[in-house]
Amino acid sequence: SAVISQKPSRDICQRGTSLTIQCQVDSQVTMMFWYRQQPGQSLTLIATANQGSEATYESGFVIDKFPISRPNLTFSTLTVSNMSPEDSSIYLCSVDQGSSSYEQYFGPGTRLTVT
Amino acid sequence: LAKTTQPISMDSYEGQEVNITCSHNNIATNDYITWYQQFPSQGPRFIIQGYKTKVTNEVASLFIPADRKSSTLSLPRVSLSDTAVYYCLVGGYNQGGKLIFGQGTELSVKP
Repeated sequence: SAVISQKPSRDICQRGTSLTIQCQVDSQVTMMFWYRQQPGQSLTLIATANQGSEATYESGFVIDKFPISRPNLTFSTLTVSNMSPEDSSIYLCSVDQGSSSYEQYFGPGTRLTVT
Repeated sequence: LAKTTQPISMDSYEGQEVNITCSHNNIATNDYITWYQQFPSQGPRFIIQGYKTKVTNEVASLFIPADRKSSTLSLPRVSLSDTAVYYCLVGGYNQGGKLIFGQGTELSVKP
């Protein structure tokens, strides 16, 4: 199973600023995903990040607000831009081991609070 | 992707067997049923996956009737540490790996 780390684990940011969240995997993976989990809610998929191509965003999420980088097969970043209090959430990355199952491994999450 | 319906919350006591049922009336022929567990302040963790009949691993059992329109996650002899949110997901291998989470079932295990 893949081991995933995220940085930072939590942050408090002022509105209007941006935060970049890092996701590091201990093995090479093809597919990486970014999710948002608002307080007390379920997870919502933001985008799929594949190495060597542009990220694919889900409905309601745009690249200008959530730019994603995927420079190699073990690393990805998600930036939350021009933050507002509504962006206060836990952001999680996950990876697909590529075994054609629905078994994904999740990072511990980044808890973001925007004041 | 098929929509899933689960109870929002369930209560249980230590040592009991807990069964969480998920409805997925619009499941497609090539869809699999997967369950995840999420503890507070952690990312979700894969528990079990199945296509039909029964699947069992060291953590849980998954029962799927012949019509596949529902499934039941069974947790034997729960302990306090099983308190978590349990998510039922339905989808196929051709969904590009995307996981679509429903609301989940918040299980509270009491002493």
